[in-house]
Amino acid sequence: QSALTQPASVSGSPGQSITISCTGTSSDVGGYNYVSWYQQHPGKAPKLMIYEVSNRPSGVSNRFSGSKSGDTASLTISGLQAEDEADYYCNSYRSSSTRYVFGTGTKVTVL
Amino acid sequence: EVQLLESGGGLVQPGGSLRLSCAASGFTFNTYAMTWVRQAPGKGLEWVSLIGSTSNTYYADSVKGRFTISRDNSKNTLYLQMNSLRAEDTAVYYCAKGPKGSWDSWGQGTLVTVSS
Repeated sequence: QSALTQPASVSGSPGQSITISCTGTSSDVGGYNYVSWYQQHPGKAPKLMIYEVSNRPSGVSNRFSGSKSGDTASLTISGLQAEDEADYYCNSYRSSSTRYVFGTGTKVTVL
Repeated sequence: EVQLLESGGGLVQPGGSLRLSCAASGFTFNTYAMTWVRQAPGKGLEWVSLIGSTSNTYYADSVKGRFTISRDNSKNTLYLQMNSLRAEDTAVYYCAKGPKGSWDSWGQGTLVTVSS
């Protein structure tokens, strides 16, 4: 039941763009377009930011975008803002008895 | 407005049982898959279980055989029956709505502490 691999931390200055990677295998990220991304501020519930690789829910800023290449998915935040400072988790459907798996999480710091 | 309200958390001894509830409102409950996700203190998110709109169920290997997910569509309520609890089950448990990992609404979470 191994988690998807994300960098522990990513940082950037206001206005810059950053990208968070999420690496899995052909049994999860690489095999299905059911990759989603969640933002979590301290003490709060997660918030869906991207679903099905690259779709944004209503109300989510278009500064957030998602993509996938092979077994790695990515979340890009453009025009970084102070309010983007949070933890980010990817999630993927997996063809195993454990049907869904989260990434290890990435702490985004706005310098 | 979609609302999900978890309850039932608390302190329980190792080997004990607890039932969590998630009261849903603001959407047609019986048409959506529902999920439980947990987060141990200071740790990342872990998917726990999912129940589809037709009550098909799925579990993480870490809870299979010990936890049971269910739903009562007449009460718009999701449940998680947790048996044989272990220290490593200590976490905030969230319920969430949506299919295929696209969980677009979450509750505020309920804390389960397994300790003697």
